[in-house]
Amino acid sequence: DAGVTQSPTHLIKTRGQQVTLRCSPKSGHDTVSWYQQALGQGPQFIFQYYEEEERQRGNFPDRFSGHQFPNYSSELNVNALLLGDSALYLCASSSLPGRGGSYNEQFFGPGTRLTVL
Amino acid sequence: RKEVEQDPGPFNVPEGATVAFNCTYSNSASQSFFWYRQDCRKEPKLLMSVYSSGNEDGRFTAQLNRASQYISLLIRDSKLSDSATYLCSPPNAGNNRKLIWGLGTSLAVNP
Repeated sequence: DAGVTQSPTHLIKTRGQQVTLRCSPKSGHDTVSWYQQALGQGPQFIFQYYEEEERQRGNFPDRFSGHQFPNYSSELNVNALLLGDSALYLCASSSLPGRGGSYNEQFFGPGTRLTVL
Repeated sequence: RKEVEQDPGPFNVPEGATVAFNCTYSNSASQSFFWYRQDCRKEPKLLMSVYSSGNEDGRFTAQLNRASQYISLLIRDSKLSDSATYLCSPPNAGNNRKLIWGLGTSLAVNP
């Protein structure tokens, strides 16, 4: 049973560029959440996707956008990259309560480490 | 009060020591709580869930105090391998599955 997978593992971009990060959830999970984690900080919630729609959003600008596909996989897009966007981007999957998953228990992928130069 | 607050530490303890961390939360309607462990430059991994008063798993005990709105994690007989950052994540109540994370508590177990 594959866990949460993310690609790529590392990425180097320059300011102003655009980036797309990908996530495949754990088998049986239908909800994907994206987080940004800067060094020494806790994960900061970006947004959450369920049934191909953005359901919740944290305090991130519109430069951060996402998508969820019918197979529950998801993408995170960041436009007009800034130096401050350098971080570990984590994807976490979960299932709705009552569908075999513990309430709100999330499983994380290994993350994509983005460096903006 | 912040949604989630943790003492960032670091906690430096010798092997074999008992150490406890607290995590306070602001949403009194929160129903389920989790402790995650995060190793340096790795993803968080679920350590323990707390749904009622408490949960015990080997050397680890998690407790919930709803009246005072905090959860705690107790580690007995600390091992070198317990060195990590411990994150608590009390989720919001209801169908909102957004997880609000604390900054994490850093633990270093020394020989």
